[in-house]
Amino acid sequence: DAKTTQPNSMESNEEEPVHLPCNHSTISGTDYIHWYRQLPSQGPEYVIHGLTSNVNNRMASLAIAEDRKSSTLILHRATLRDAAVYYCILGGYGGSQGNLIFGKGTKLSVKP
Amino acid sequence: KAGVTQTPRYLIKTRGQQVTLSCSPISGHRSVSWYQQTPGQGLQFLFEYFSETQRNKGNFPGRFSGRQFSNSRSEMNVSTLELGDSALYLCASSFRDRETDTQYFGPGTRLTVL
Repeated sequence: DAKTTQPNSMESNEEEPVHLPCNHSTISGTDYIHWYRQLPSQGPEYVIHGLTSNVNNRMASLAIAEDRKSSTLILHRATLRDAAVYYCILGGYGGSQGNLIFGKGTKLSVKP
Repeated sequence: KAGVTQTPRYLIKTRGQQVTLSCSPISGHRSVSWYQQTPGQGLQFLFEYFSETQRNKGNFPGRFSGRQFSNSRSEMNVSTLELGDSALYLCASSFRDRETDTQYFGPGTRLTVL
């Protein structure tokens, strides 16, 4: 399975943008890049996903490098509620759809 | 639309016992996946069921099993419980009939084995 590398932790100030990086140098051509997050005492929740082009939704933006070996999740204005562990996951295509391989993720702290 | 529900939310068992956990997916979702989360190993995939058939299986011993019913509800069973089975068990549902699919997670069942 393709692996991802993320920083263990990051800090942000409330209402400032946050850029969460993810390296995935062994990504295959059919791998989608998914981001999930897990708030304290909750199950993971979907944030965003993309294949090649940058993506935006109401929660975040996903910037994907041209060679697809890295990506960045962008939270435009961090709130205290965004404090969570963020997971960058590859796959979710075809036969691997039901099997998400979670790494350690990045624990994001947001300071008021 | 109601989210994924899991019952019970908390469970305490002793070593050697068996346990059954239940998961009700979002209406219309036909895939249910199960994950185990521990502080040491993080989130690990157990298995996935789609239309009552196991589609994928993670690297867990045969003591961990599951099934899915015709209404897509799923159960997982752990027999001969060990202390190391103490974990948060999460289930996730999805449509699974698209090129790439979002999984929606439930709140989990916290299992403590004494």
